[in-house]
Amino acid sequence: AQKVTQAQTEISVVEKEDVTLDCVYETRDTTYYLFWYKQPPSGELVFLIRRNSFDEQNEISGRYSWNFQKSTSSFNFTITASQVVDSAVYFCALSGGGSEKLVFGKGTKLTVNP
Amino acid sequence: DAGITQSPRHKVTETGTPVTLRCHQTENHRYMYWYRQDPGHGLRLIHYSYGVKDTDKGEVSDGYSVSRSKTEDFLLTLESATSSQTSVYFCAISESRFLGTEAFFGQGTRLTVV
Repeated sequence: AQKVTQAQTEISVVEKEDVTLDCVYETRDTTYYLFWYKQPPSGELVFLIRRNSFDEQNEISGRYSWNFQKSTSSFNFTITASQVVDSAVYFCALSGGGSEKLVFGKGTKLTVNP
Repeated sequence: DAGITQSPRHKVTETGTPVTLRCHQTENHRYMYWYRQDPGHGLRLIHYSYGVKDTDKGEVSDGYSVSRSKTEDFLLTLESATSSQTSVYFCAISESRFLGTEAFFGQGTRLTVV
C-alpha cells in the first residue's frame, strides 16, 4: 500500500525565516512519482513540483527547493526567506507505477507572520 | 489553467436526499478523480476513472457512486446524503499515470448536508 506522512500539522514562522516541510512516503513500487501541491486560503490546489523515483537530484526554483532522498523515503520542501504569501496548506502526494491512484498526505498548514 | 469545471460550487441538501456533483474537463485527459477534503484528513480519494466506463474505488468510497459515460464528464453521486458527507469535494484530471504527469484540480464543491 502507498502512504504519505506529513508529520507537521501546522508550522508558524516569521517572515524571512527559512522553513522546511517534511514528507515521508511508503511504496513497494520501484517506479513512482512524488508531488507537492499548495492550497492557499482561497482554496484552489496549485501544482508545485513532480519528481520521479529515478531522479534524486535536488531541485531549486526561486525561493523553493526540494530534497529527495530515497534512502530515507523522504521528499522535503524548503522555502527560503519566507513571505506572507507563502501562507497556505502544503500537500505532498505519491503516485506509484503500479497504480492509477494519487495518494495525498494530510497536509501541513504554514503560517508566515509579518 | 487546466479546463476543469465543477458544478455546483456550493450546495446545501437534506439528509437522505440524492446528490450529484459534476466534473467537466476540456483537456481530453484519461484519468479523472474525486477527492474529499476534511480538516485533519487532507485529501482522500473517493473514486477514480481511467477511461470511459472504467472506474474504481478509492479509500473512502462507501456511500458514493460514480459514472463516466463520456471522456469529459465524471459524475459523483451520493445516493442518500448523510451529515458525514459534508465536505469539500475536488475533482482532478491527469493525462497519464505512466508518465507520472501531475493532476490538475477543479475549484472544489462545498457540500453541506443538514
